[in-house]
Amino acid sequence: QVQLQESGPGLVKPSETLSLTCAVSGYSISSGYYWGWIRQPPGKGLEWIGSIYHSGSTYYNPSLKSRVTISVDTSKNQFSLKLSSVTAADTAVYYCARQGEDPINDSFDPWGQGTLVTVSS
Amino acid sequence: SSELTQDPAVSVALGQTVRITCQGDSLRSYYASWYQQKPGQAPVLVIYGKNNRPSGIPDRFSGSSSGNTASLTITGAQAEDEADYYCNSRDSSGNRWVFGGGTKLTVL
Repeated sequence: QVQLQESGPGLVKPSETLSLTCAVSGYSISSGYYWGWIRQPPGKGLEWIGSIYHSGSTYYNPSLKSRVTISVDTSKNQFSLKLSSVTAADTAVYYCARQGEDPINDSFDPWGQGTLVTVSS
Repeated sequence: SSELTQDPAVSVALGQTVRITCQGDSLRSYYASWYQQKPGQAPVLVIYGKNNRPSGIPDRFSGSSSGNTASLTITGAQAEDEADYYCNSRDSSGNRWVFGGGTKLTVL
């Protein structure tokens, strides 16, 4: 079955760039679907960060758009998130997920286990 | 602020039926998806589309929609259903996605 696994530094300094990778197994990214990033600050709700279509088209949360870049590496079957100029408010568990491409089913499924990123000096 | 509004908390007696709602203008055009999240775990999709359950999700979970409101119904709630539930859909532009603020379900 499809599995996703996030990886990256667990600690990032303020003003630096957060970089995470989501490795996909059991499915070829280039075959279809959107691939998304979602985050959850400690004790708070889910926030959609952005999604990338298998063709490379990107869609970003307007509140984060100026700082976010999502890219895909089909040769490694993974996609990545970069969030620049981070502050303590960016401390969260970051999840990656596959996302349906049909408007009737554009849900996020499955999800990675999530990775906690703390922004602190 | 979220474009999808959920009640922060709902409770239900064991074995009874509970409805969790999600309101938003975009729901007049797009289906909501529903996720269950237990402490320390990643969210799990429980309902998508008109009323579809992924493999492995019990049939006591069902979804419906009317106007600007989507609902997740648990018929015969079990202790293991105690969790946070989030709705998700496209926003009014159709090119972005948004999550509701979440509903904490307590099974009494």
